[in-house]
Amino acid sequence: DTAVSQTPKYLVTQMGNDKSIKCEQNLGHDTMYWYKQDSKKFLKIMFSYNNKELIINETVPNRFSPKSPDKAHLNLHINSLELGDSAVYFCASRGTSGKQTEYYNEQFFGPGTRLTVL
Amino acid sequence: AQKVTQAQTEISVVEKEDVTLDCVYETRDTTYYLFWYKQPPSGELVFLIRRNSFDEQNEISGRYSWNFQKSTSSFNFTITASQVVDSAVYFCALLDQGGSEKLVFGKGTKLTVNP
Repeated sequence: DTAVSQTPKYLVTQMGNDKSIKCEQNLGHDTMYWYKQDSKKFLKIMFSYNNKELIINETVPNRFSPKSPDKAHLNLHINSLELGDSAVYFCASRGTSGKQTEYYNEQFFGPGTRLTVL
Repeated sequence: AQKVTQAQTEISVVEKEDVTLDCVYETRDTTYYLFWYKQPPSGELVFLIRRNSFDEQNEISGRYSWNFQKSTSSFNFTITASQVVDSAVYFCALLDQGGSEKLVFGKGTKLTVNP
């Protein structure tokens, strides 16, 4: 019954490789996000998609390419991985309808993917 | 631009002490939401509370309480009678309704509760 799931949980790879992280939500939400948490624990938005459409791109290198095949999925593909890409990546989703619901505007986070680039 | 400041980088207390985590925010929007999240050593982000800008009532949930004051743009979090399991990094975050729809996080406060 996981609301927001991410795979893999851990990813160790060499510099220069290309890798993908997958995210799925079963909450019926319209908006999904990718956040990056660096080694100092700082959390920052990377991308946001609403109904498969990119709405936020926060000055992320174009080696990072999000892909949303449908509104329940938002995958993150990273090309030519660099040491500085090592971080924990969190996917999140948010419902943007039903303003009277208890969870309106709450972002539900996935468990995170710890990426280590060697 | 939206900004969240958690001035306390690390706090260390002894079990059963009360502790308050400070959060100060900046936004030009009149409608916004404030959040607290807990990140235990296991790494997941645990939602604690959401407060909208029109609701300044303080909230209490068990040992947790939150003090929202628009006049000082603060949304402080108090843990009463702290326990070792409260040890975690706590993040305050702001979601504006101005169109960007993103969470802006503070840098977090690492709380260590010693037995």
